[in-house]
Amino acid sequence: DIQMTQSPSSLSASVGDRVTITCRASQSISLYLNWYQQKPGKAPKLLIHAASSLQSGVPSRFTGSGSGTDFTLTISSLQADDFAIYYCQQSYIIPFTFGPGTKVDI
Amino acid sequence: QVQLVQSGPEVKKPGASVKVSCKVSGYTPTELSMHWVRQAPGKGLEWIGAFDGEDGETISAQKFQGRLIMTEDTSTDTVYMELSSLRSEDAAVYYCATPNRVGASDLWGQGSLVTVSS
Repeated sequence: DIQMTQSPSSLSASVGDRVTITCRASQSISLYLNWYQQKPGKAPKLLIHAASSLQSGVPSRFTGSGSGTDFTLTISSLQADDFAIYYCQQSYIIPFTFGPGTKVDI
Repeated sequence: QVQLVQSGPEVKKPGASVKVSCKVSGYTPTELSMHWVRQAPGKGLEWIGAFDGEDGETISAQKFQGRLIMTEDTSTDTVYMELSSLRSEDAAVYYCATPNRVGASDLWGQGSLVTVSS
């Protein structure tokens, strides 16, 4: 199975901050990398698919980049609604493994 | 409104089976491909498997092989996930989600809580 790692595991930030989360795959996954946001008690929400494609309805302050094994999710100006846990997921080879998550809080 | 509506919470004993349903609402899909993901209390997301609505095949993570069955009822646009030989570590919220063309899960159900307790 492809192993996914994320860093940091958690971070504290303020509204207006630029936030960057990294995700690394144990082998090349081309561009098959997705990012999700999850809030307590809610289902995950797809933010970015195929490494950099913004899901419909997701604010443009979210951007994804990378290819191969190294990927980044950037929130350009953190909003109050963005405090959540962020997961990366590879959809290159089954099982479509998730990273352990990055918690973004105040 | 397009949504996935899942069945309610379940309490099962170790060794039993649980069957979770996921109904597509708000549109009529041409086929019922679905992914299943679970989340143990306080833990991260775990991909369980996928149902291919085109050929009715189930593909699962190796740890679930032999215990996982996915089926569909096209007359009600519902997909089912059945997990057998339950153990305490199977206690989790189980989510269904539709895959897009690159395998990302773009529409999620609300989750179904499965409790495993003797």
